[in-house]
Amino acid sequence: NAGVTQTPKFRILKIGQSMTLQCTQDMNHNYMYWYRQDPGMGLKLIYYSVGAGITDKGEVPNGYNVSRSTTEDFPLRLELAAPSQTSVYFCASSYSPNGGNEQFFGPGTRLTVL
Amino acid sequence: QKEVEQDPGPLSVPEGAIVSLNCTYSNSAFQYFMWYRQYSRKGPELLMYTYSSGNKEDGRFTAQVDKSSKYISLFIRDSQPSDSATYLCAILDYGGSQGNLIFGKGTKLSVKP
Repeated sequence: NAGVTQTPKFRILKIGQSMTLQCTQDMNHNYMYWYRQDPGMGLKLIYYSVGAGITDKGEVPNGYNVSRSTTEDFPLRLELAAPSQTSVYFCASSYSPNGGNEQFFGPGTRLTVL
Repeated sequence: QKEVEQDPGPLSVPEGAIVSLNCTYSNSAFQYFMWYRQYSRKGPELLMYTYSSGNKEDGRFTAQVDKSSKYISLFIRDSQPSDSATYLCAILDYGGSQGNLIFGKGTKLSVKP
């Protein structure tokens, strides 16, 4: 199993550009998450999904959009990129959200907005 | 008051030292507590989790929860250079429609040979 994969690994965007961060998992997990991690800060939840076709906002959703058309894929869309979105983005998945159920993380996408 | 507080360090210790990493939290209703380890330029991975109060041991690692003080700890015995990483505490919050993790800022640990 590849686990959780993310593309691209790195990206530099200009202010106002758009992009989609890709996330795929092969563990047949229903629950998927997008986090951002700023230097010296913990992980902040952007959006999450409890299954195909169902998504919901996390703590910091502004400036982002998601979709979940399949169990495997959970892309994150940035519209009109801003310097404040410079961060490392992690996708994660889990079998369930309940206590003790591990969230498996991808390797991250490092995004710089200039 | 932030829900989970964690001293970001950095923390530098010699090989073989006992390491103590700590977090405090604000909501007494929290029940599930986790420690994730994150190596440089990698995603976090679950190290240990505990439910409610008490200790849990796994090899050189011990996770401890004191619900009366709202304090969680991770102890690493006989620390090794391979333990050098950022350690994030995480707490499961059932306040929304489903449980979501609240992470501390992470403590960066360096174990010197």
